[in-house]
Order: sequence, then C-alpha cells, then structure tokens
Amino acid sequence: EPEVTQTPSHQVTQMGQEVILRCVPISNHLYFYWYRQILGQKVEFLVSFYNNEISEKSEIFDDQFSVERPDGSNFTLKIRSTKLEDSAMYFCASKTLGGQGEYEQYFGPGTRLTVT
Amino acid sequence: GDSVTQMEGPVTLSEEAFLTINCTYTATGYPSLFWYVQYPGEGLQLLLKATKADDKGSNKGFEATYRKETTSFHLEKGSVQVSDSAVYFCALTANTGGFKTIFGAGTRLFVKA
Repeated sequence: EPEVTQTPSHQVTQMGQEVILRCVPISNHLYFYWYRQILGQKVEFLVSFYNNEISEKSEIFDDQFSVERPDGSNFTLKIRSTKLEDSAMYFCASKTLGGQGEYEQYFGPGTRLTVT
Repeated sequence: GDSVTQMEGPVTLSEEAFLTINCTYTATGYPSLFWYVQYPGEGLQLLLKATKADDKGSNKGFEATYRKETTSFHLEKGSVQVSDSAVYFCALTANTGGFKTIFGAGTRLFVKA
C-alpha cells in the first residue's frame, strides 16, 4: 500500500541553524501539507500546497518557514533560523484530488525536530 | 473559523469497560470527520472516518456517527483492551481552501488490566 515517507526520523540542530525536513508524498496525490505537534499538545496545521504554490497557511507559518516541491516526488519544509520553540514533531501529509467528500489525508510517520 | 472540541483526559478505564470520547465541531460547509489514534512515540493512524451526515465510521470495534444536528462525532467502543491505551484525536477537514485538517486537543486513554 502506498505511504507517505519522511526523512530524517529525528533531527537535532542548534538554535539559529537552518533545517530542511523532507517528505515523499504518495505519487498520484496533488495536495501536500505540513503539520506540527509540540510534545504533549495537539496537532497544528502549518501549510497546504497545491499546483506548485501555497494554498493556505497558518499564523505559525511565518517568514522563517518555507516549502518547496523541488522535483516530482519530494516536498520539503525549511526553517531558516531555528528557535527552541520549533522543537516538535513535524508531520507531512498528502491528499488526492478526490471528489465530493474525499478529504482524507495520508500522514507520514513524522520527523522529530529537537532544537538545542 | 473551524474548530474541534473534545473531552479532556486522561480517561482511565478497566479492561472490558465501555468507552465514550465526546467530540463536537464547528465548521462552515460539509466537513469530513475523522478519529486518529496515536500510540506512544508513534505517528498518527487513521482510526475511522465519516464523510456525510448520518454516516457511521467503524474500525477495530470503534465506531462514531456523524451527527449534523448536534455537530458531534463521539467515539465509542463496547469493550476496551489494554492495547487501546493511546491518545485519540478528533479531526475535521472542510471543503474550503486547501482542505486543511483541524484537530481537537486529544484525549489520552489509559486502560488497566
């Protein structure tokens, strides 16, 4: 069964450093997403991406964040200058175009980012 | 904006007890509703879903019914097991914008043997 994959599973970085989190969505999906979950808290939407552009972003997704689909298979989240509060689990998700009611997103296993 | 409210935890039950986790939502349009489960140290697993009013989603003995009149999607299981111990998230995806998913705060379930 096709699945969303994410690398690395765990990333440790120092405050102020740039990090890139990578995701390979399911191959025929057209919508791509990033979510984050701070330890012990709820899952929060960051950004959605469709047709090579951001379709929606949350207040969390400020100028320090960017997303890119550099080729036909990868989808990346870049944090330019990490802060301690960026420490969280980051989930990638993807969705097919679908018809009415077909809103299910498929989530990857997550990348745990630790900023020290 | 759209939101999901679910009962606070933790919920502690003995094995074979009946489980209910309440979930209500606010959304424009006609969202799809989901329950996700997260086991310790793991990612999100889709437990069940419902895409329109009166639909019942079910999986692994869990079930939830999409109630438009009460804007609810309560999770139930007739007899819980120790292996059901996890965090359960109610969520919705609305047919607006980029179809983002909005999650509830999560309810931690502990099941004692």
